Amino acid sequence: GQQLNQSPQSMFIQEGEDVSMNCTSSSIFNTWLWYKQDPGEGPVLLIALYKAGELTSNGRLTAQFGITRKDSFLNISASIPSDVGIYFCAGQKGGSEKLVFGKGTKLTVNP
Amino acid sequence: EAGVTQFPSHSVIEKGQTVTLRCDPISGHDNLYWYRRVMGKEIKFLLHFVKESKQDESGMPNNRFLAERTGGTYSTLKVQPAELEDSGVYFCASSYRRGQGRVGEFFGPGTRLTVL
Repeated sequence: GQQLNQSPQSMFIQEGEDVSMNCTSSSIFNTWLWYKQDPGEGPVLLIALYKAGELTSNGRLTAQFGITRKDSFLNISASIPSDVGIYFCAGQKGGSEKLVFGKGTKLTVNP
Repeated sequence: EAGVTQFPSHSVIEKGQTVTLRCDPISGHDNLYWYRRVMGKEIKFLLHFVKESKQDESGMPNNRFLAERTGGTYSTLKVQPAELEDSGVYFCASSYRRGQGRVGEFFGPGTRLTVL
């Protein structure tokens, strides 16, 4: 089945550091999405990317839709303790409503 | 505006029993999705409703799972009989359409199902 390879699986960083995570796929997606999940909550949409090459920012978050349409990355600058959580990438193919998710990157920020 | 709500938040049942999960989408959202995350794995699509119609149920694992959305409002997902591998967190999400595009994909907090 379709798979998104998300890395790294987990990250332990110091407050103030920048973070980068990415997702790759063997197939093309029309939309890339990045979600964050806090404990006991559902995933919350952070950034949506709709066009190859698109670079979008949301505060300290920046995400890009790869030119090949097979990858995307998410950067978090100047991390703070509330950035802790699990970050998921998700892709959507043309003609399909369903999202294909990566396995998540668990982020821990040490104050 | 209330978000997507799910009930119950947790459910612990014995193998062979029946469990029904409920999702109330955001008011006015025609699209309703069910997803599941098994421990340590990715969130996987189960099915998609547009109003009361099943648009895509390609992710439903087997015929022990039955989803309904009578009247196009809330949805239920019944597992009967439950097996050990059904344990996981079941998420519901809803969205609405604007023109050709889907706007928003709002997730509920999930129901954590444990089958013993």
